[in-house]
Amino acid sequence: NAGVTQTPKFRILKIGQSMTLQCTQDMNHNYMYWYRQDPGMGLKLIYYSVGAGITDKGEVPNGYNVSRSTTEDFPLRLELAAPSQTSVYFCASSYTRGLYEQYFGPGTRLTVT
Amino acid sequence: SQELEQSPQSLIVQEGKNLTINCTSSKTLYGLYWYKQKYGEGLIFLMMLQKGGEEKSHEKITAKLDEKKQQSSLHITASQPSHAGIYLCGADNNAGNMLTFGGGTRLMVKP
Repeated sequence: NAGVTQTPKFRILKIGQSMTLQCTQDMNHNYMYWYRQDPGMGLKLIYYSVGAGITDKGEVPNGYNVSRSTTEDFPLRLELAAPSQTSVYFCASSYTRGLYEQYFGPGTRLTVT
Repeated sequence: SQELEQSPQSLIVQEGKNLTINCTSSKTLYGLYWYKQKYGEGLIFLMMLQKGGEEKSHEKITAKLDEKKQQSSLHITASQPSHAGIYLCGADNNAGNMLTFGGGTRLMVKP
């Protein structure tokens, strides 16, 4: 199993550009999550999904969009990138909600200038 | 919303020394997770604690949950350079559909 994979690993965007961060898991997990980690800070939840076709907002959803058309994929879309979105983005998945381990991808380091 | 505060924020210890990291919640803890993040990499799951008084160990790392104090501690015995990294605690919200994370503790172990 590859676990949770994310692409790209690094990206530099200009202000106002758009991009999609890709996330795929091969563990047949129902729950998937997107977090951002700012320098020296913990992780904040952006969006999560409880299954294909179902998504919901986390703590910091503004400026982002998600979709979940399949169990495996959970892309994160940035529209009109802003410097405040410079961060490291982590995708995670878990079998179900509650007290189950979340498996994390390696992260995407995004810089917006 | 629930907030988790970790202390200390950073820690430098000599190899072989013991250390403790604390995680305190502003609300009742329904489940507490400990993760380790190597610099520049993703998070690795260490342990999950569910019940007050619960204690779990893995190799030289022990985590405890004090439900009354809304606090968890992570103790490393005889630290090694391989223990270096960022330790993060995370807590389930009541609905169990999201994790809130603490700010992390950066650990450096000097050989």
